[in-house]
Amino acid sequence: AQKVTQTQTSISVMEKTTVTMDCVYETQDSSYFLFWYKQTASGEIVFLIRQDSYKKENATVGHYSLNFQKPKSSIGLIITATQIEDSAVYFCAMRNSAGNKLTFGIGTRVLVRP
Amino acid sequence: NTKITQSPRYLILGRANKSLECEQHLGHNAMYWYKQSAEKPPELMFLYNLKQLIRNETVPSRFIPECPDSSKLLLHISAVDPEDSAVYFCASSQAPGTPANTGQLYFGEGSKLTVL
Repeated sequence: AQKVTQTQTSISVMEKTTVTMDCVYETQDSSYFLFWYKQTASGEIVFLIRQDSYKKENATVGHYSLNFQKPKSSIGLIITATQIEDSAVYFCAMRNSAGNKLTFGIGTRVLVRP
Repeated sequence: NTKITQSPRYLILGRANKSLECEQHLGHNAMYWYKQSAEKPPELMFLYNLKQLIRNETVPSRFIPECPDSSKLLLHISAVDPEDSAVYFCASSQAPGTPANTGQLYFGEGSKLTVL
């Protein structure tokens, strides 16, 4: 069975700084896919970035980047130059090898202060 | 996000029957229902993969999904319980197990169900 753990319940940062969120996962699969999703205050859930387990390079999209440490089963999300609109709940998620289930962590609430 | 539409957006029920509807315009052939209770992450209820139903066995039998075609998904709810109060998200993706599937889900705006 898969498990995704986010230990930080909330983080507060100043605008234009960098925020880092932790996520560790458990899986029996040799190949898997890791994701970060953002849920805004309106409830909208938006895909941010993905890391394939077989890729060594950390994924980067815009001001989002990942810190993938496979030996530690860790996939951290880094947001640089934060903006007020980055305030949201961030979910780490893992897709199983069959590709039919996405397991979410409990989420980390980020508040970006002006 | 107008690529996946859900209706109704808000629903207040006593112990009645109701259906939630979802339609996606992304050409995907896998569709999902997720339930998100307050302060919790989304949890998978059902998956239709190429119109084959895969059910989360923990979902009560009063929830009945229907997939009339690959772009539409319904969720029929009968005799709702207060524990059913939540936001129900429809999502879609390319079919799991196919080369086009990246595992990325696209979510609708959600339907908020409040059970009195």
